[in-house]
Amino acid sequence: DVAMTQSPDSLAVSLGERATINCKSSQSLLWNSNNKSYLAWYQHRPGQPPKLLISWASTRESGVPDRFLGSGSGRDFTLTISSLQAEDVAVYYCQQYYSVPRTFGQGTKVEIK
Amino acid sequence: EVQLVESGGGLVRPGRSLRLSCVASGFTFDDYAMHWVRQAPGKGLEWVSGVTWNSATTGYAVSVRGRFTISRDNARNSLFLEMNNLKPEDTALYYCTKGATVTVSDYFDHWGQGTLVTVSS
Repeated sequence: DVAMTQSPDSLAVSLGERATINCKSSQSLLWNSNNKSYLAWYQHRPGQPPKLLISWASTRESGVPDRFLGSGSGRDFTLTISSLQAEDVAVYYCQQYYSVPRTFGQGTKVEIK
Repeated sequence: EVQLVESGGGLVRPGRSLRLSCVASGFTFDDYAMHWVRQAPGKGLEWVSGVTWNSATTGYAVSVRGRFTISRDNARNSLFLEMNNLKPEDTALYYCTKGATVTVSDYFDHWGQGTLVTVSS
C-alpha cells in the first residue's frame, strides 16, 4: 500500500496569514504517460462531509476559493491557504489515487491562532 | 445538484451483519465509479471499497476483504455495502462517495452525509 504522511498534525494560524500543509507519499504518484500526479486534497469541517478541494495535485475544483493552492509532484506535495479565513478551520487530508487501495494522510487540523 | 443519501446504519452485535444503501441523484449514475469511505470515532478517513461503473471491477481495503461486499444497481441509482462478521473496529461513520471517473482508482468528488455503524455487545 502507498503510505501517505502529512505534516504537521496541527497548526494554528492568524486570520489573513498563510497556512502550509505538507504531504509525502511512500512512492511516486506521477504517471509518466500523462505527466500527472494522482493526488487529491480534501477539507473536512466539523459536522460536515469531506469536500474535494484539489485533484491532480494542483487542479482546484469549481467553486473553491483561489486562496487554496495545491503544488508538488512525484512524492512531495503541498496545500497552501494563502490568507486564512475563519471558515477554513477544518481538518485537511491528502489522498492518493495512483493505486488501490486508495489511501489518505492522517489529516492536518487547522485552527485560528 | 449531486445528492448521495445513505441509510442502513445502526447498532449491531459483533459477528452480525448489516447492509448499507446509498441512493444517488443529480448525475448519470452509471457513468461513474462509486465508493464507500469510513471514519472511525476520533480517527481519519479510510477508503473501504469501490466499484466501477459497470460492476466489472471491485476493490476492498485489506481490513474488510472477505467480510464486506460492494454492489450497485444502476437501474435504481443505488450503491450497497453488505457487511458480514462485523467487528468493533468497524464502528465508524460510513460515507457514500462518487468517483470522479469510471475506474476504481480515482478520487471522490461528492460525499453523502454518512450513516453511523456501531458494533458493540
